[in-house]
This record gives sequence, structure tokens and C-alpha cells, in this order.
Amino acid sequence: QAVVTQEPSLTVSPGGTVTLTCGSNTGAVTRGRYPYWFQQKPGQAPRTLIYDVDHKHSWTPARFSGSVLGGKAALTLSGAQPEDEADYYCMLLFDRARVFGGGTKLTVL
Amino acid sequence: EVQLVESGGGLVQPGGSLRLSCAASGFTISTSWMDWVRQAPGKGLEWVASINEDGSAKDYVDSVKGRFTVSRDNAKNSLSLQMNSLRVEDTAVYYCASEYINGHWGQGTLVTVS
Repeated sequence: QAVVTQEPSLTVSPGGTVTLTCGSNTGAVTRGRYPYWFQQKPGQAPRTLIYDVDHKHSWTPARFSGSVLGGKAALTLSGAQPEDEADYYCMLLFDRARVFGGGTKLTVL
Repeated sequence: EVQLVESGGGLVQPGGSLRLSCAASGFTISTSWMDWVRQAPGKGLEWVASINEDGSAKDYVDSVKGRFTVSRDNAKNSLSLQMNSLRVEDTAVYYCASEYINGHWGQGTLVTVS
């Protein structure tokens, strides 16, 4: 079974920029893995920020963007806000199986 | 207002069964692949099962194959997960979610196997 890897934790300063990445033990992540990104705050359900690499939902703040870069999927946060402190999960598609990464705990400090 | 509302969770003994339901409102699920995702206490997200728009394609994580069955009723705008032969390691909050352009999640229902 595929394993999806994320940074366990990252810290960003308020107003700063940070990139979270999502890799796979099966090789380079491409657009064909349809990467998703989810945000989860303590005690809350997850919410989808990004689907299919770089598509945003109506509720996705403009400061979040998705891409595929250097063989990994990436979520970039530009202009971090205190309310962006949360766990972030990526998910990749392998044939029809979905696999989540272990999550990145993002601290805004 | 768009909502996904899960129900049916609870406490069950190992080997027992539960049926989870997910009722959608404010949007129609018939245009979406739908997922069940779970989260064990203090752990990350784990994909459990998916079903395509008309129910003709279903996929499962290996650990639940042969024990869980996902189904949908587009006329009732609802999704279900039948869970049999439950194990202690199935203990988690179970979320239903819609994929792709819809991207909605429910608030989850807790399943405790003990």
C-alpha cells in the first residue's frame, strides 16, 4: 500500500509564507494523483481547502494555493494568520484508493 | 445551508455491527463521489470507503474489505456504511464527505468498539 508523507510540524510567523509538502513512496507526485488538501482545527471536522492540485472552494481563503512542485504536491500559505494554526492533511489517489498523509501541525508564532 | 449529518454511531462489542447514515441537505449528492473517512482518537485521517455517483463502483481500504459495505440512495440524498465484524481498532469518529467540486464534510459520528 502506498504511503503518503508530510512534514510532522512546521512553524510560520504571522504574515509569513510557508509551504507544506506531500510526497509518496511510489515515486513523484503528479497531477494524476489529484492531490487534495484539508484543514482541521482542534475539536472540529476537517474541511477541504484544495482539490485536484490547485482548485479552491468558495470558502478557501485566497492566501492558500496548491501546486505540484519538485515531485511533490504542495500547499502554500502566503500571509499567515493566527487562525491558520491547524492540522493540514493531504490526500492522494492511487487508482481508486485514497491515501491520506500523516498530517502537518502548523503553528503560527 | 449545505449540511452532511452523520448518525448511527455508538458503543458496540467486538464482533458486533453498526450502520452509519449520512443525510445531505442543501446540495445533491448524486453528482459526487462520496467518501467515508475515520479518525481514531488523537490520530490522523484514514480513508475508509468511496462510492461513485450512481453506486456502481465501490472501493475500500484493505483493513475493512469484506466487513464494511458502502451504499447510497440518491433519491433520499443519503449515504450509508454497514459495518460488520467490528474490531477494537475500528474505534474512531467516522465522517462522510463529498469529493471534488462539492467538498463538504459532516461533523462525524463516534463509533466505539469495546
